[in-house]
Amino acid sequence: DQQVKQNSPSLSVQEGRISILNCDYTNSMFDYFLWYKKYPAEGPTFLISISSIKDKNEDGRFTVFLNKSAKHLSLHIVPSQPGDSAVYFCAASDSSASKIIFGSGTRLSIRP
Amino acid sequence: DSGVTQTPKHLITATGQRVTLRCSPRSGDLSVYWYQQSLDQGLQFLIQYYNGEERAKGNILERFSAQQFPDLHSELNLSSLELGDSALYFCASSVAGPPTDTQYFGPGTRLTVL
Repeated sequence: DQQVKQNSPSLSVQEGRISILNCDYTNSMFDYFLWYKKYPAEGPTFLISISSIKDKNEDGRFTVFLNKSAKHLSLHIVPSQPGDSAVYFCAASDSSASKIIFGSGTRLSIRP
Repeated sequence: DSGVTQTPKHLITATGQRVTLRCSPRSGDLSVYWYQQSLDQGLQFLIQYYNGEERAKGNILERFSAQQFPDLHSELNLSSLELGDSALYFCASSVAGPPTDTQYFGPGTRLTVL
């Protein structure tokens, strides 16, 4: 039972354009959402997060949007840069259960 | 460099064997998490320790066990290994317990079971 789904295994975006990565979840108890970025041969690194009391959080080129009614979140990267090429994991947590569930990841490729 | 170290980087072993993976958290972090990433899969949460005590359990098999020692390093023990246990195993640490704390991941241990 995949509680956090990233339905696009890969995405290719031209440098300078906007990258939009999507994530859906099924558990309405999730109250905190995170995005991690992973380069090959390295562990994931934290990128940005959002609490369920907000619908948007912005940090530089990265913005996360949360649509609770649709159980959907997205990560926007603008403008996309070559160094953004990586695998992006969406994660959700239910703070009462002290667990975090990760999606299967989306591989983002930024082309020149 | 996240400050989290994992050893060994690579491990090749045979079915039925037992291995131990080691993790040293960032200085000052009390929580340690273990994750498994199989091919083309997301990160599966296995288990969390906080200051030496088990805090949360995920999809950890009975053949697997973990512990956190007084110096806060942690070990993940995998026994009666099967081919399907081949995966990347990540350790992460955070300052405190709740999953909303930023987790810092180590580089992982790649386990290959032949």
